[in-house]
Amino acid sequence: EPEVTQTPSHQVTQMGQEVILRCVPISNHLYFYWYRQILGQKVEFLVSFYNNEISEKSEIFDDQFSVERPDGSNFTLKIRSTKLEDSAMYFCASARQPNEKLFFGSGTQLSVL
Amino acid sequence: KQEVTQIPAALSVPEGENLVLNCSFTDSAIYNLQWFRQDPGKGLTSLLLIQSSQREQTSGRLNASLDKSSGRSTLYIAASQPGDSATYLCAVEYGNKLVFGAGTILRVKS
Repeated sequence: EPEVTQTPSHQVTQMGQEVILRCVPISNHLYFYWYRQILGQKVEFLVSFYNNEISEKSEIFDDQFSVERPDGSNFTLKIRSTKLEDSAMYFCASARQPNEKLFFGSGTQLSVL
Repeated sequence: KQEVTQIPAALSVPEGENLVLNCSFTDSAIYNLQWFRQDPGKGLTSLLLIQSSQREQTSGRLNASLDKSSGRSTLYIAASQPGDSATYLCAVEYGNKLVFGAGTILRVKS
């Protein structure tokens, strides 16, 4: 069964450093998302992306965050200057159409020291 | 504010029991409602999706219902098995985003 792939599975960085989290969505999917889950808290929406544009973003997704689809297969989340509170599990997700099942990757555990 | 609440927060049952997980949401202008399973340290697996116009969906031993007017959904698991042990998340779709509940941690004892 096709799956969403995320790399790396774990990322440790120093506060203030830039990180790029990578995702390969399912090949025929057109809608892409990033969510995050801080330890012990709910899964939170960050951003949705379609047709090379952000469709919607949450209050969390401030100027320090950006997303990009640099080629036909990858979808990336960049955090320019990481803060301690950015430590979380970051999930990428994709869907073929809106209002259809969302397929999630296994996540990248980001630790900011 | 769009909020999703799940009850109970945790549940421990002996193998073979039928069980019900509850989800409620404050904003009834939903596109759909999805139930996910999350295993420790892993991603989310979609179990069932109910469109806003539907009342229920079934997949194997799982049955999910939706009452949009009252803002409630239930996930029914029949004949529970130890392999069902996981966290079950309810998520409501509003436009381009899902709003998640905190989940129900289920433990099925053999």
